[in-house]
Amino acid sequence: EAAVTQSPRNKVAVTGGKVTLSCNQTNNHNNMYWYRQDTGHGLRLIHYSYGAGSTEKGDIPDGYKASRPSQENFSLILELATPSQTSVYFCASGGTGPSQNTLYFGAGTRLSVL
Amino acid sequence: GEQVEQRPPHLSVREGDSAVIICTYTDPNSYYFFWYKQEPGAGLQLLMKVFSSTEINEGQGFTVLLNKKDKQLSLNLTAAHPGDSAVYFCAVTGTGGYKVVFGSGTRLLVSP
Repeated sequence: EAAVTQSPRNKVAVTGGKVTLSCNQTNNHNNMYWYRQDTGHGLRLIHYSYGAGSTEKGDIPDGYKASRPSQENFSLILELATPSQTSVYFCASGGTGPSQNTLYFGAGTRLSVL
Repeated sequence: GEQVEQRPPHLSVREGDSAVIICTYTDPNSYYFFWYKQEPGAGLQLLMKVFSSTEINEGQGFTVLLNKKDKQLSLNLTAAHPGDSAVYFCAVTGTGGYKVVFGSGTRLLVSP
């Protein structure tokens, strides 16, 4: 079973502060993704990565940066957090070939920006 | 780009009843279709993956139908039980693509 671990599970940040959300996967998947989940919007793609050293913009990248220092780790960085970034964030990994579109999700990080 | 509309946003049924969730997508070249289940406080878990070549797929207690003509994907829980209470998401992607587009989710409540 694919394993994706997110940390922290809950985070309270102040407006203007820097926030880093971390994700680790042990499935040796090339692709990793960051989504945010908001009521009425489903999951929206923020950033994704094809492998170590690569990051790509998703549908809503503004205000976020991403870092993929290794195959296993993918971070989401909010340099200047704003209340509009209060949300639940999910990391996912996916393989290549026929399985590449099947995503395996972490348990999520609930972020509140005050 | 691909857009996915999911309905209803909320669904409440009694134990033993059926429950149907429908997603409508826009890209006729979409190739992979997914249903995910999200339980409270947890991430999404894959319920079923459907390829465009197969129109009917059956799982444990549910059936997934793919209507390519109308570009609709449906999840039918045949005899719901309280353990099925969760948020369900459909997702769609195209051939060779990285991008998985999700519906907005359906919160299903099954009461005893």
